[in-house]
Amino acid sequence: NAGVTQTPKFQVLKTGQSMTLQCAQDMNHEYMSWYRQDPGMGLRLIHYSVGAGITDQGEVPNGYNVSRSTTEDFPLRLLSAAPSQTSVYFCASRSSLGAANYGYTFGSGTRLTVV
Amino acid sequence: DAKTTQPTSMDCAEGRAANLPCNHSTISGNEYVYWYRQIHSQGPQYIIHGLKNNETNEMASLIITEDRKSSTLILPHATLRDTAVYYCIVRSIGGNGAAGNKLTFGGGTRVLVKP
Repeated sequence: NAGVTQTPKFQVLKTGQSMTLQCAQDMNHEYMSWYRQDPGMGLRLIHYSVGAGITDQGEVPNGYNVSRSTTEDFPLRLLSAAPSQTSVYFCASRSSLGAANYGYTFGSGTRLTVV
Repeated sequence: DAKTTQPTSMDCAEGRAANLPCNHSTISGNEYVYWYRQIHSQGPQYIIHGLKNNETNEMASLIITEDRKSSTLILPHATLRDTAVYYCIVRSIGGNGAAGNKLTFGGGTRVLVKP
């Protein structure tokens, strides 16, 4: 049982490049989310999904797109990378069953630098 | 979600109990108290949660005051591996929207366990 797997672990992009951060979970969780964490700060929600085919914006969605074609995968796309998107990105998932009774499982993060 | 207030940092001696306070005076009736921790460079880890009763699991105990305006996370026998930033979060359990899915991370408490 791998939990939440994020790839790549590290990435350097040039300004204007696009890329996709991958997130996969093998726990059959309905809910998945993307967060970013800037140095010395807490996590901020970018986008989230409550099931396959359903996504919505969090508090800092600009510059990012998501899709959820399967329960397992929730990729995050950077459309045109900017230095302000330099951050550590975390993907998380949780079950919808007994919604109040389950904490989120987080991946180990992707460290992105935009130069 | 209700705002939480935590001490910025605290030290704890190895083998002793660590008591981490959290104030959430504006918590509403359908909001649970969750605790997560983040060990350096890793994704956040769920510890425990509760509504109004005290809770205990293999990692920690959670004590919630009767008026629910504050809580304390107790690590019964702190080890060096418990050195981390601990986040107290209140989360609504209602609906499928952002309110039911967003974890609002504040600054947390940086706990240093010393030998």
